[in-house]
Amino acid sequence: ETGVTQTPRHLVMGMTNKKSLKCEQHLGHNAMYWYKQSAKKPLELMFVYNFKEQTENNSVPSRFSPECPNSSHLFLHLHTLQPEDSALYLCASSPPRGGTTDTQYFGPGTRLTVL
Amino acid sequence: GQNIDQPTEMTATEGAIVQINCTYQTSGFNGLFWYQQHAGEAPTFLSYNVLDGLEEKGRFSSFLSRSKGYSYLLLKELQMKDSASYLCAVRDTNTGKLIFGQGTTLQVKP
Repeated sequence: ETGVTQTPRHLVMGMTNKKSLKCEQHLGHNAMYWYKQSAKKPLELMFVYNFKEQTENNSVPSRFSPECPNSSHLFLHLHTLQPEDSALYLCASSPPRGGTTDTQYFGPGTRLTVL
Repeated sequence: GQNIDQPTEMTATEGAIVQINCTYQTSGFNGLFWYQQHAGEAPTFLSYNVLDGLEEKGRFSSFLSRSKGYSYLLLKELQMKDSASYLCAVRDTNTGKLIFGQGTTLQVKP
């Protein structure tokens, strides 16, 4: 399988549940990203990892907890979410900064609904 | 501050040409990207401009004017499958982050 994959594609959870989103990239990249995409709003960057190290936390609430065990995998652990957290969560990867264009390639996203 | 503006919605006819504009204000500029996103799918990379001028890729072209903080995406010979959202994003030279506009939803009609 090539590109960036995300599982699950759809997730419905209650506010007290704990769930995790998974992202995997097969592009040999070393930077990975989590974005949130809400209706009628721009993509919002949440977290950035370079070479497994978190380099950006864009003031994201602690109920979202990222994990990057290696350069190919990225997780987003969710707990005690709020209904306003319902959105499409996109993962992306890119070559490390200083690469050719550092173009980011996106996965298909996880559509999250919090009840 | 950082601000990316693009029209929310556009409609065009199959076979026609459409131009989607994007204006930006950033503290530091290091390239502008266009992505296409079909409903429920991943944004896919279309084009990258870092120097002024026109970049052509088949039916799609992208133009950049850094002095004006302006870009456009030109789609020729529109097809029904071009109905999608088109995202403009600017990379900030200081942080390396991509700043996205809200996207332009293009509807192509027969």
